[in-house]
Amino acid sequence: QVQLVESGGGVVQPGRSLRLSCAASGFTFNSYGMHWVRQAPGKGLEWVGVLSHDGINKYYADSVKGRFTISRDNSKNTLYLQMNTLRAEDTAVYYCAKDSTSGPIGGDLDCWGQGILVTVSS
Amino acid sequence: QSALTQPASVSGSPGQSITISCTGTSSDVGSYKLVSWYQQHPGKAPKLMISDVSKRPSGVSNRFSGSKSGNTASLTISGLQAEDEADYYCYSYAGSSTWVFGGGTKLTVL
Repeated sequence: QVQLVESGGGVVQPGRSLRLSCAASGFTFNSYGMHWVRQAPGKGLEWVGVLSHDGINKYYADSVKGRFTISRDNSKNTLYLQMNTLRAEDTAVYYCAKDSTSGPIGGDLDCWGQGILVTVSS
Repeated sequence: QSALTQPASVSGSPGQSITISCTGTSSDVGSYKLVSWYQQHPGKAPKLMISDVSKRPSGVSNRFSGSKSGNTASLTISGLQAEDEADYYCYSYAGSSTWVFGGGTKLTVL
């Protein structure tokens, strides 16, 4: 079955960097775009960004543009989120999610990881 | 990329129907048939319930339905059941390969 497992979260000081990983299994990883979505404690969902199946096209929410970078290693079936210049407001559970459409990014998220908590605090 | 507007909470009794609205703008909800809905139980990952305004993914109960009129999309749940109690989020394409969520609605089954 499709499975997504995030790792790499933890506590980090403001201004520092952190990289999250998302290990995928159960589907042809290199055929699907992949998204990151976050949820601040007690708050709603926020779309963070998406990377196309081939790793070429990347799009981000304004709130993270210029600070976060999504990448993937299709040989390892793994998605990454590099987070730089972290702020307190980046504190959230971060989910990776699989796009529902094979090939071009469709946008719907049909499979989600369990989420990983990132806390930005001094 | 402003969040779509949803009511903070709705409630209904078992067996009743409820509707959750999701209001956007002509730049997102109003321009595309790319609105979906997600259900999230406490401490769990979200689950896709409706895609492309009104399509139900395989395995989703036909008690869930979606629609759209102008800048407002809606999710209707008929025959409310206790297990439907959860948070619900709308999600829309917002142009330029970006997407936006609604603020979320907490559904309470009385």
